[in-house]
Amino acid sequence: EPEVTQTPSHQVTQMGQEVILRCVPISNHLYFYWYRQILGQKVEFLVSFYNNEISEKSEIFDDQFSVERPDGSNFTLKIRSTKLEDSAMYFCASSDISTGELFFGEGSRLTVL
Amino acid sequence: DQQVKQNSPSLSVQEGRISILNCDYTNSMFDYFLWYKKYPAEGPTFLISISSIKDKNEDGRFTVFLNKSAKHLSLHIVPSQPGDSAVYFCAASQPFSGGGADGLTFGKGTHLIIQP
Repeated sequence: EPEVTQTPSHQVTQMGQEVILRCVPISNHLYFYWYRQILGQKVEFLVSFYNNEISEKSEIFDDQFSVERPDGSNFTLKIRSTKLEDSAMYFCASSDISTGELFFGEGSRLTVL
Repeated sequence: DQQVKQNSPSLSVQEGRISILNCDYTNSMFDYFLWYKKYPAEGPTFLISISSIKDKNEDGRFTVFLNKSAKHLSLHIVPSQPGDSAVYFCAASQPFSGGGADGLTFGKGTHLIIQP
């Protein structure tokens, strides 16, 4: 069964460092998303991506964040200068139609020290 | 601003009984609702969905009910099994705008515990 894969599963970084989280969405999907879940809180929408550009983004997705689909298979989330409050589980998701079922990866845990 | 609310952080149900998970929403533009199940250290897994043109959708042991006038939906699991123990997230989305893909708005989740 096709699945969304994410790497790394866990990354520890120092505050101020750049982090790149990688995702390989399901191959025939067209819509890509990043969500995050801070420990003990709800899953929050960050950004959606379609046709090689950002479709929607939340207030959380400020100038420190960027997304890219560099090679037609990977979908990356970059945080330029990490803050302590960026520590969270980051989930990538993809879907084949908008507002339909999203398939989530297992998440990348980011710990900022 | 919590547009999707799950007011019960946890729910304990005996094995074999019915589990009822509730969700309320405030945004009347939402027209598609989904339930996701999440085990620790894993990503959310899609469980069942319902469009606003329906009031019920059933898939095996899982049934979702939608009451649009009350802006309320519920997930029924019958009979509950030990493997159902997980966090259940209610999520909602607005109609496809045509210009791109809107994200889902999630509730905070309800931790369902099935007791033997």
